Amino acid sequence: SQQGEEDPQALSIQEGENATMNCSYKTSINNLQWYRQNSGRGLVHLILIRSNEREKHSGRLRVTLDTSKKSSSLLITASRAADTASYFCAPTDSWGKLQFGAGTQVVVTP
Amino acid sequence: DAGVTQSPTHLIKTRGQQVTLRCSPKSGHDTVSWYQQALGQGPQFIFQYYEEEERQRGNFPDRFSGHQFPNYSSELNVNALLLGDSALYLCASSAGGSPYEQYFGPGTRLTVT
Repeated sequence: SQQGEEDPQALSIQEGENATMNCSYKTSINNLQWYRQNSGRGLVHLILIRSNEREKHSGRLRVTLDTSKKSSSLLITASRAADTASYFCAPTDSWGKLQFGAGTQVVVTP
Repeated sequence: DAGVTQSPTHLIKTRGQQVTLRCSPKSGHDTVSWYQQALGQGPQFIFQYYEEEERQRGNFPDRFSGHQFPNYSSELNVNALLLGDSALYLCASSAGGSPYEQYFGPGTRLTVT
């Protein structure tokens, strides 16, 4: 299975600090996506990185991908209380099937 | 431009009953995927519809079935409900049958008693 597996399971930081979470997967992918979910509701797409890309930025987000190690990381810089959420990585196959892991719960305290 | 919409928002059913959940994709999208998210877990892929055909299916029993209509909207049907079917059901849409970013609806919370 190419299901993503996030680490750590939970992360607690203060506003202004950076948050880093990692994702590992098992098989080849077309791309890897990161999503955020607030309070068990709908998922919000954050960023997509293709298998031939190594790094991508979007605002305060930085994603890396190492296909040789089958791993990815998501960095949120200068975190805010509004960043409190669950974050999921989703390795994606050529048909667009997302294989989510259990996620990382991030709590940002003021 | 409306995003992905799902109905109903919440649903309570009894074991053994059948349920139908509905999803309207984002404007311009023609591919719909369904996911089941149990409490505290990540979403699990149920199936994907493209051009009114089931294109991919996850590890779910035949009690889970679906349909896509000519206007690209979709239904998820679950027969003979079990307590373990209680979950948040998420619909996601994307364009051109491609593996690009998917837009998720707010979900339908199903409780089976």
